[in-house]
Amino acid sequence: GENVEQHPSTLSVQEGDSAVIKCTYSDSASNYFPWYKQELGKGPQLIIDIRSNVGEKKDQRIAVTLNKTAKHFSLHITETQPEDSAVYFCAADSSASKIIFGSGTRLSIRP
Amino acid sequence: GAGVSQSPSNKVTEKGKDVELRCDPISGHTALYWYRQSLGQGLEFLIYFQGNSAPDKSGLPSDRFSAERTGGSVSTLTIQRTQQEDSAVYLCASSLENGGRETQYFGPGTRLLVL
Repeated sequence: GENVEQHPSTLSVQEGDSAVIKCTYSDSASNYFPWYKQELGKGPQLIIDIRSNVGEKKDQRIAVTLNKTAKHFSLHITETQPEDSAVYFCAADSSASKIIFGSGTRLSIRP
Repeated sequence: GAGVSQSPSNKVTEKGKDVELRCDPISGHTALYWYRQSLGQGLEFLIYFQGNSAPDKSGLPSDRFSAERTGGSVSTLTIQRTQQEDSAVYLCASSLENGGRETQYFGPGTRLLVL
C-alpha cells in the first residue's frame, strides 16, 4: 500500500525566512497531493493541494512542487509569520480510495 | 455553511467503560472518514464510509472498535471496554465524493482520555 514519509519532524525558522517541508511517496499511481495545517486544539485544514498534471502551484506565500519521476513533493512557505506556527501534514491519495498522511512537521517561527 | 462537527469535544472515562463519539458531516457530503491522532503523532486512518456502507474498515485497531453511519449523514464511532492506550484525539472528516482525490474537511476532534 501507499507509504508517505515526511521530513523534517520539527523545523524552527526566523520570522521572515522561508520554510521547506519535504515528502516522498511510494505509490506511482498517486495523483493527488494535499497539504494540511493543524493548529493547536483544532482539526487539520487544507491549505493547498496539487494534482499530477502540474509540477508547481502557488498561492500567495505558499507553494508546492511535485516531481512525479522521483516521487517527491514539497511545501514552501516564504516570508514566514508567527501565525504560520503549526503542524503541517502532507498526504497522497492511494489506490484504495483514501489519502495517506505523512507523520507531520511541527513548524515554529522565531520572532 | 456549517462545517464538520463532533461531540463531545472532550471525554474522560474509566478503563473498561464503553464510549460513543459522534460526527456530523457537512450536508451533502457522501464520504466520511474517522482518524485517530495520538499525542504529537500523525493521523491514523480507522474507517471510511461511502453513504451508509463502509468499504474500508482496515484501520480499526481491534474488534472493540466499531462504527456506523445512518441516513448517509451522522456517524458514530463506538469503543467498547476502553483501554488506556485508546486515549487520543479522534478526528472525523467528510468529502463531497468518495475516493482519495477529494478534499477532506475535518472536524475539531474528540479528545478521549481513559483513566
